[in-house]
Parts: sequence; structure tokens; C-alpha cells
Amino acid sequence: NFMLTQPQSVSESPGKTITISCTRSSGSIASNYVQWYQQRPGSPPTTVIYEHYQRPSGVPDRFSGSIDSSSNSASLSISGLKAEDEADYYCQSYDSNNPWVFGGGTTLTVL
Amino acid sequence: QVQLVQSGAEVKKPGASVKVSCKASGYTFTTYDINWVRQATGQGLEWMGWMNSHSDNAGYAQNFQGRVTMTRDTSRDTAYMELSNLRSDDTAVYYCARFGPGGYFDCWGQGTLVTVSS
Repeated sequence: NFMLTQPQSVSESPGKTITISCTRSSGSIASNYVQWYQQRPGSPPTTVIYEHYQRPSGVPDRFSGSIDSSSNSASLSISGLKAEDEADYYCQSYDSNNPWVFGGGTTLTVL
Repeated sequence: QVQLVQSGAEVKKPGASVKVSCKASGYTFTTYDINWVRQATGQGLEWMGWMNSHSDNAGYAQNFQGRVTMTRDTSRDTAYMELSNLRSDDTAVYYCARFGPGGYFDCWGQGTLVTVSS
């Protein structure tokens, strides 16, 4: 089993770019796809990135995903920050022992 | 459009069981797996298990083995999650989510609040 570790919170001003990391504790980050979910208060999550860097239709290209094998982590970047981006963000990946693992979540505050 | 609609909020006593339903519409129910995820107030997402909507096979997270059962009724296009021997720390919002063709959870139910209190 592995864990996905995210920063508890990040904050940035409107119009800026923010990056949220998701570090895998064991095994290669590249061995299983990483998804990213956005969750606004009182609502269920929605997908913003799947398969490391793919965007579902309707998700703006301000959202991008990547992985870095050297740090064994995935990242979600959001450019041109807007107030509506303020939410919790969760990374997720697959584990053969306990199929779906979520990171602890990161609260994004747009100042 | 693809939609998952869950049953309403529940209040249960410790030791009791709860069964939450998740009705699918807008697609062929038996084509895609249904997963269940819960979220305690102010906490993160916790995956509970999955169910193959076609075959009724299911797999559960280690934390819930022996306490959770996931089933479906194809005549009603509905999935169910039953959690037994409830404890106060089972108080949470429970979500169903479709594992869609893109290989991710592409549609979520609105959530069902389960409160466990004596």
C-alpha cells in the first residue's frame, strides 16, 4: 500500500499560477495514472485532470497536470487564478492492494 | 444526462446498519462500475469499495472489510451500500461515483449524510 501526500493548504492572488503537489510514498508515480478532483463546499467532487494530464471536456485549459519521476510526485497547476477556483483539491491513484487511494486534500484560497 | 441520485439523510444508533441507495440514469447501468467514497465533516475523501454493476462482483477497502456490502438491482438501475455495526466515527457523507469510460470517477451522486448518534 502507498500513501499520497498533499500540502494542507495553498493560497495565491487572482491571476497568478498555483501548483499543488501530490507525492507517492512508495512505488513509482508513473506506474498508475493520477487523477485530480475539485470539491467546492457542500458539493461532490468533480474531475479536473485524469490520466496524469488529460482534461475532461468543459474543464478550462488553465488546469494542467504533470508527473515528476525524480520527486515521485504529481502536480496540478492552475493558471490565471479566479475566485471560482477556490476549493479543495484531491489527487487519486490506483493501488493493486486497495484499489483507489486519495491524497489528504489541499485547500486552495484565492486571496 | 448521466446522473446518480442518492437516498436521503439517515440517523442511526451505534451498532445499527444503514443502507444507502444510488439510482443511475442517462446511461446503461450495467456498463460501468459504481464506487463508494465517504467524507467525514471537514475531512478528506475515503474510498470504501467498488461494485461491478453487471456481474455483482465487489471489492472492498481493507478498512471496511467485514462491515460493508455493495449490491445492485439491475431492474431498478440502482446500487446499494450497506454498512453494519455503525460507530460514531462512521458519521459522514457517503457518495456513490461512476467509474466511467475515461478511467476516472466521472459522475458523483449528491451525497447522503449518515449520522451515528446515541
